[in-house]
Amino acid sequence: GAVVSQHPSRVICKSGTSVKIECRSLDFQATTMFWYRQFPKQSLMLMATSNEGSKATYEQGVEKDKFLINHASLTLSTLTVTSAHPEDSSFYICSATFVGGGNQPQHFGDGTRLSIL
Amino acid sequence: AQSVAQPEDQVNVAEGNPLTVKCTYSVSGNPYLFWYVQYPNRGLQFLLKYITGDNLVKGSYGFEAEFNKSQTSFHLKKPSALVSDSALYFCAVREGGSQGNLIFGKGTKLSVKP
Repeated sequence: GAVVSQHPSRVICKSGTSVKIECRSLDFQATTMFWYRQFPKQSLMLMATSNEGSKATYEQGVEKDKFLINHASLTLSTLTVTSAHPEDSSFYICSATFVGGGNQPQHFGDGTRLSIL
Repeated sequence: AQSVAQPEDQVNVAEGNPLTVKCTYSVSGNPYLFWYVQYPNRGLQFLLKYITGDNLVKGSYGFEAEFNKSQTSFHLKKPSALVSDSALYFCAVREGGSQGNLIFGKGTKLSVKP
């Protein structure tokens, strides 16, 4: 089945540092990848939609300069949290859909637990 | 605007009993509906989907869901619950029936007791 690998699984770092999270589709090509944020005991919040070779589309209220997204190839998208602060601590999850997926489900990575001290 | 509602924050079931996790939706046009499961500190795993065809959809781990257009519902069911089914379950609908954003319900925590 379709596998999405997300790395790292956990990050603990000091306030002010930048953190990069990778999302890879291992056995399929993904034109579209999605980045979500999940707060404790809450549902997923879509942050942005990442399309290969073009700029990401950010949801309202998400700072594009704060959360940099790059989707340079059909198998890799990255999310960089720049100058992270404690309020950025959260669980970040990526997902990907097939090329020409249409009604295909999204396949999710295992998520990244980000803790900013 | 599209939306998904999961009216129960938590569902408690005894092992071996049938379980139902409720989901209702609101969407213009034909909905594409999905169920995902999330185990602690893990990403979401796809369980099943409804696009078209039979209203009863069978998925992974013995789960099934019934699409009811008149009630705009897509409840997740399993005839006999296992302790290992304990997890967080998310219902989701895709906008416009295309390769677009998923809109998620808030999730329902399923607890299966031995």
